[in-house]
Amino acid sequence: QITLKESGPTLVKPTQTLTLTCTFSGFSLTTSGVAVGWIRQPPGKALEWLAHVYWSDDKYYNSFLRTRLAIARDTSKNQVVLTVTNMDPVDTATYYCAHLLVAKQYSYHVWGQGTMVTVSS
Amino acid sequence: DIQMTQSPSSLSASVGDRVTITCRASQSIGTYLSWYQQIPGKAPKLLIYGASSLHSGVPSRFSGSGSGTDFTLTISSLQPEDFATYYCQQSSSSVMYTFGQGTQLVIK
Repeated sequence: QITLKESGPTLVKPTQTLTLTCTFSGFSLTTSGVAVGWIRQPPGKALEWLAHVYWSDDKYYNSFLRTRLAIARDTSKNQVVLTVTNMDPVDTATYYCAHLLVAKQYSYHVWGQGTMVTVSS
Repeated sequence: DIQMTQSPSSLSASVGDRVTITCRASQSIGTYLSWYQQIPGKAPKLLIYGASSLHSGVPSRFSGSGSGTDFTLTISSLQPEDFATYYCQQSSSSVMYTFGQGTQLVIK
C-alpha cells in the first residue's frame, strides 16, 4: 500500500524559507517510472502544481515559481524535500505531495493528506 | 505554458442526473489528461487518467473522453457522494503541469 505524508511548519514569517518533507512508503523512488510531486492549494482556490522529481533524479518546476523552488530526494529515508524561499502571504496554502506513475500517463496516483502552511508576521 | 480551462465553474444537479464537465487545453496534449475529485477538507483523488482510463476502485458511473484539446468527464447517474469539486490536469508538457480552475458540483 502506497502512503505519503507531508510534514513541516504550520506558520512561517514573510521572507523566510519554507522546508516541507514528504515521507512515503510502499514504493521506492529508485524504481523506473515513478516520481513524487508537490502541489498546493490556497484556501478556497484551485490546485497549483509546484514541482516533481523522477526516479532518475530529473527535476521539473513550475515556471512561474522556478527561482524560489528546490526539490530533492533522499532515497535512503524515502523522503522528498521541497524548499520555497522568500515566502509571502500569497503562499498561504495547503501543500500536498503525491505519487506519480509514468505508466498512468503521468497522473498523480496517490496523494498525501496535505499540510496547511500560513504565512504571516 | 499550456492553459487548462474547465466549464462550467459551478454546476447544480440532482441525485440521479447525468452530468458532463468539460476541460479544454490551450494546445494539443494528446491524451495526457487526468481528472481528480476533491471533497472539501480532503486531498484530491484520481478518477481518470490518460483521458479515458478509469483508476482502480473508481465507480463505473465515471467516464472520461477526448483527445487533443477537448475533454469531458461524465458522471452517468449522480450519487450523494459525488458532490465535490472536480479538476482536470494536463501532463503533456514534462516541463510544467497545469490544473484547470475546478468545477464545483452542488446539490440542486
